[in-house]
Amino acid sequence: DAGVIQSPRHEVTEMGQEVTLRCKPISGHNSLFWYRQTMMRGLELLIYFNNNVPIDDSGMPEDRFSAKMPNASFSTLKIQPSEPRDSAVYFCASSLSGIETQYFGPGTRLLVL
Amino acid sequence: SQQGEEDPQALSIQEGENATMNCSYKTSINNLQWYRQNSGRGLVHLILIRSNEREKHSGRLRVTLDTSKKSSSLLITASRAADTASYFCATDASGTYKYIFGTGTRLKVLA
Repeated sequence: DAGVIQSPRHEVTEMGQEVTLRCKPISGHNSLFWYRQTMMRGLELLIYFNNNVPIDDSGMPEDRFSAKMPNASFSTLKIQPSEPRDSAVYFCASSLSGIETQYFGPGTRLLVL
Repeated sequence: SQQGEEDPQALSIQEGENATMNCSYKTSINNLQWYRQNSGRGLVHLILIRSNEREKHSGRLRVTLDTSKKSSSLLITASRAADTASYFCATDASGTYKYIFGTGTRLKVLA
C-alpha cells in the first residue's frame, strides 16, 4: 500500500489567495483526520471524518477553513482567504476506525506570504 | 485539556546508549500511542498500548503504562544515529477518536 498521500508537498502563496490541500487515505480506512503542526501550538486536530461524514470540526480555526470528503478515497482542506498565520505543516491521517492507529501522510508545508 | 506532556523536551545521547522518554497525561484513557517524527516528515506510528496493558515491546522499543500515575515511558535500547527524531505520545479521550498529541521529545543520537 502506498500509504496516505498528500499533495502538494509544498505550497507558497500570497495572503488572500485560496489554498487547497488534498489527501488520499489508505484504502479501506474509514476514518480521516486533518491536523496542523506549528512550533507554537504543536499538533492540532482540525477535523475528523468517519465514513466520509464530518464528525468533529471543532478544531477548525475559523470560517476561512473548510474541509470535504466527497468519497472514501479523497479529501480536501481549503483555506480561503489565506493569511500569514495559516503558515504551518498540514497533515492528513487515516485509520481503520477512529480509535485505532492513525497513519500519517508526509504533510503539506504551507507558507503564506 | 488532557494533553500529554513529554519529558524531557530534548535529549542527547551517544550511539549505543539507551534513551528513555516519559509522557504524562491528565484524564482517563483507553489507548496511548507513541509516534516518531523525523525532521520534515510525517509521524510514524511506533506502538499502541491499551489501558489494561502494562508493558509492550517492539524490537528495540519498550513502552510501559502506569494508569495510576497517568504516565507512560518509551525506552529505546542500543540507540542508533537513525533514531534521531522527535517522539510524541498521543492519548485518547476514553475511547474516542480524539487523540491529543503531546509537545514531543527531541532525541539526538550522536555517532
